[in-house]
This record gives sequence, structure tokens and C-alpha cells, in this order.
Amino acid sequence: SYVLTQPPSVSVAPGQTARITCGGNNIGSKSVHWYQQKPGQAPVLVVYDDSDRPSGIPERFSGSNSGNTATLTISRVEAGDEADYYCQVWDSSSDHYVFGTGTKVTVL
Amino acid sequence: EVQLVESGGGLVKPGGSLRLSCAASGFTFSSYSMNWVRQAPGKGLEWVSSISSSSSYIYYADSVKGRFTISRDNAKNSLYLQMNSLRAEDTAVYYCASSTGTSEIGDWGQGTLVTVSS
Repeated sequence: SYVLTQPPSVSVAPGQTARITCGGNNIGSKSVHWYQQKPGQAPVLVVYDDSDRPSGIPERFSGSNSGNTATLTISRVEAGDEADYYCQVWDSSSDHYVFGTGTKVTVL
Repeated sequence: EVQLVESGGGLVKPGGSLRLSCAASGFTFSSYSMNWVRQAPGKGLEWVSSISSSSSYIYYADSVKGRFTISRDNAKNSLYLQMNSLRAEDTAVYYCASSTGTSEIGDWGQGTLVTVSS
């Protein structure tokens, strides 16, 4: 089955840039979506189709995808960005959605 | 405003059954695929099942195939998950969520907690 691997945690100072990776075999050939989840809340879509943002999501959130790694970049990090982040793809070979292992972003 | 409201969660014994429901409003329910995603306490997100807009396509995670059944009633704007032969490892918050086909999951409910314990 298809596996998406994320670092368990990323720490970043306010105003700096956080980069969260999502590794998967030839993930560059798939559309990658990213979700933010704060404690006790449902996930929220922050980036879809590798690099598009839903309405209402700040431009500080951006994404890229190539080769075996997709990346979510949060620029000018704010305290309110502290959350768990998950990548996701649709694996057409198994007809399954697959979520990444999740990354906890801590704002120092 | 899109609203997805889950119900039906609760405490159930191992081997028991439970039926979750999701009431949708604020969008054209019959035009969207629907999904169940769960999250065990302190763990990550796990996709459970998806159903296409007309119920033509249904998919299940390997962990629930043969035990869970997803269905929908477009006339009632409702999504369901029938869960049988429940196990302790099925304990989780279950989220109802909408998507356009098998693309991104755009809207999520607040979830309903299912606890499987004797």
C-alpha cells in the first residue's frame, strides 16, 4: 500500500519559515492536499492540488510537489499556525485515500 | 454555509454494531462524493470509506472492509456508516467529509466519538 512519510515535528520561531515535507514513491505524479488540525478541532484544508489555496487561506501557505517529496511552506509563521499538519493523496492503484503520518508544528 | 453534522457515536462492546449518520446542508449534497475519516485518540487521520455522488462507486480501507458499510440518501441529504463486528481499535472520532470525486476533502464535520470497550 502507498505510504506517505512526514517528520513528526517541526519547530519554528515567529516570523520565520516552516517547511513540512511529505515523502512518497513518485508523489510528484499525484495531486497532494494539505490539512491543518488544531487541538479539539476538525481538519481544515489549507492547500489542494499541490499548490492551490482555498478561499480564506492566507498567502503565507504554499505548496510544491516534485519527485518523491511534496512540501508545505508556511511563511512568516504566526502563533496561530501552531497545529498538526497532514498531507494526503488519492492512490489510484488501490482506490484508497492515503494520509501522511502528520507533523506537529510548534511556534517557539 | 456548509454544515456537516455527525451523530450516532457512543460506547459499544467489542463485537457490537453502531450506525453513524451525517446530516448535510448548505450545498448540493447529491453532487458531491462523501467520506468517513477517523482519528484514534492521540493519533493521526485515517481514511475509512468513500461513496460517489450517485453511490456508483464505493471504497473502503482494508482495516474496515467487510465490517463497515457506507451508504447515502440524497433525498434526505444524509450519509451513513454501518459499523459491525466492532473492535477496540475502531475507537476514534469519526468525521464526515465532502469531496469532489477523489480530489481534496473540502469540508468536514466536527466528528462523533465511537468508543469500543467492554
